[in-house]
Amino acid sequence: AQKVTQAQTEISVVEKEDVTLDCVYETRDTTYYLFWYKQPPSGELVFLIRRNSFDEQNEISGRYSWNFQKSTSSFNFTITASQVVDSAVYFCALSEANFNKFYFGSGTKLNVKP
Amino acid sequence: IAGITQAPTSQILAAGRRMTLRCTQDMRHNAMYWYRQDLGLGLRLIHYSNTAGTTGKGEVPDGYSVSRANTDDFPLTLASAVPSQTSVYFCASSDSSGGAPGELFFGEGSRLTVL
Repeated sequence: AQKVTQAQTEISVVEKEDVTLDCVYETRDTTYYLFWYKQPPSGELVFLIRRNSFDEQNEISGRYSWNFQKSTSSFNFTITASQVVDSAVYFCALSEANFNKFYFGSGTKLNVKP
Repeated sequence: IAGITQAPTSQILAAGRRMTLRCTQDMRHNAMYWYRQDLGLGLRLIHYSNTAGTTGKGEVPDGYSVSRANTDDFPLTLASAVPSQTSVYFCASSDSSGGAPGELFFGEGSRLTVL
């Protein structure tokens, strides 16, 4: 079974719209870490956030916010007032207690149109 | 600039040939990883290494081998390349020595085409 599911393959929005990228994970561990990465068209992978399983507080960083809900095994990412520069593929990832492996979702491609 | 260096950045290879993708980091991270990225499949872990001298299999290890002779280098070898190994390969490292997984730092990727 997939450990990380990003059901939205591709999303298109118009600039200034808010958009939420969904991430659902699966693990039996009580200690785990969740991540979001951004891959712009240039191809590099950029770290956005790390959250551990014991901290369910939502986090906000500028226009970015993350909603972690253990009850639904979700770690969703919202971009407020989207901009063209937000256009990228976004990956959600899970690292379990053994810390050896990072499992990635299949990614969501976000297109922000002017 | 500190980070991860991968080589080559791009390569076209005939099926059946042997190929080694090189990866070097200068951050002294204990853990290193190789991922392949294919459209619609995201990033899939091929092999990983927690410390120098140890390696482990990821989700898609068949047809690949790795070694970790020292902290900095983590080469990925395709013993006999096949067309299904056409992909973009990313090397990554992280510092998990503190008991929690640090963020992954990625190289710029190596685009491999097997004909």
